[in-house]
Amino acid sequence: QQQVKQSPQSLIVQKGGISIINCAYENTAFDYFPWYQQFPGKGPALLIAIRPDVSEKKEGRFTISFNKSAKQFSLHIMDSQPGDSATYFCAAGLSGSARQLTFGSGTQLTVLP
Amino acid sequence: EPEVTQTPSHQVTQMGQEVILRCVPISNHLYFYWYRQILGQKVEFLVSFYNNEISEKSEIFDDQFSVERPDGSNFTLKIRSTKLEDSAMYFCASSVLGELFFGEGSRLTVL
Repeated sequence: QQQVKQSPQSLIVQKGGISIINCAYENTAFDYFPWYQQFPGKGPALLIAIRPDVSEKKEGRFTISFNKSAKQFSLHIMDSQPGDSATYFCAAGLSGSARQLTFGSGTQLTVLP
Repeated sequence: EPEVTQTPSHQVTQMGQEVILRCVPISNHLYFYWYRQILGQKVEFLVSFYNNEISEKSEIFDDQFSVERPDGSNFTLKIRSTKLEDSAMYFCASSVLGELFFGEGSRLTVL
């Protein structure tokens, strides 16, 4: 019940295109859904996060869409750039004092110039 | 910008040896974590630490693992007797009330 399933495993997009990564969770108690970006040899860096009281959150070219009834959330990267090439992880967690996150399996995004 | 720093960046050890990975969390953060990432796989939670004690731990965090905050700044992960399957990237993270901030990781290679 703690799993977070992420797809696709890899994604190739042309520069300027839209990258879409999907995640599904099982635990209905989860109430915090961040996306992390990871470059090779680096730690995950928080990109954007959403809580289930809203259906969408946008920060610059990055948008999270959240569907509580379907237990799904997705990351959209508009106008994708070669510098966006990285591995993206969705995660889910519980509010509270200790932020234990359950991560998805990751999506390796390649944006072609 | 404040950041979580980890040392060493890479450690190679023989199976059965003890390893200590060190972390300096962001200074005003109150919650500390260790996660690990086996090469090519997802990031997995190991343990969270608050108020000088473990608050949560996963099934991965067995008796071979321990954490300590020996002074006001460092947060350490000790693996008592390393196994081949402990080879991974170990990430320290810290938070105050919200988002986790991760360090760049310590790569552990067990031979």
